[in-house]
Amino acid sequence: DAGVTQSPTHLIKTRGQQVTLRCSPISGHKSVSWYQQVLGQGPQFIFQYYEKEERGRGNFPDRFSARQFPNYSSELNVNALLLGDSALYLCASSPDRGRVQETQYFGPGTRLLVL
Amino acid sequence: GIQVEQSPPDLILQEGANSTLRCNFSDSVNNLQWFHQNPWGQLINLFYIPSGTKQNGRLSATTVATERYSLLYISSSQTTDSGVYFCAVEETSGSRLTFGEGTQLTVNP
Repeated sequence: DAGVTQSPTHLIKTRGQQVTLRCSPISGHKSVSWYQQVLGQGPQFIFQYYEKEERGRGNFPDRFSARQFPNYSSELNVNALLLGDSALYLCASSPDRGRVQETQYFGPGTRLLVL
Repeated sequence: GIQVEQSPPDLILQEGANSTLRCNFSDSVNNLQWFHQNPWGQLINLFYIPSGTKQNGRLSATTVATERYSLLYISSSQTTDSGVYFCAVEETSGSRLTFGEGTQLTVNP
């Protein structure tokens, strides 16, 4: 079975530009979460989506937005890029939202560099 | 929000040595996972362990939920064990994972 997939693998943008990152969850998983990992730190939660609705949001500015599609895939959009947005963006999927004893599975990530 | 602290931040071992990594958390949790992040950034699930003890080959983990800590044991370490080990917890009030800062493990041949 395919794991969580993300595209693109790498991306270079300049300040002020906009970027869209994509994620496909494990087949049968309905929940998708996004995390940002800055070099040398642990991943930080950005969003969780379940059944196309936002179920959680981390401490990120409104420049960050996301959506989930009927097939449960998801996009993360970041507008007006800043140098500090350079990071590894990770997508995770899980079968359901809010259930106790639920494991999250992570994709390989998208490395974003903002120049 | 919940705080997650991992120790030690860095660990250097010779191949064949054993090690213990610790994760302390500040509140009750629904979920605790241990991950290994490889040099390419992939987070690999090691254990889902909100309480109790589990073993998988040379790795084992124990979580004492009442005392708010978890331990990851690596025995007979190999060079391929090198990388960053993260502990992540899910609060009882939500479904997001909060990660610690990780333990950077280097296993030398």
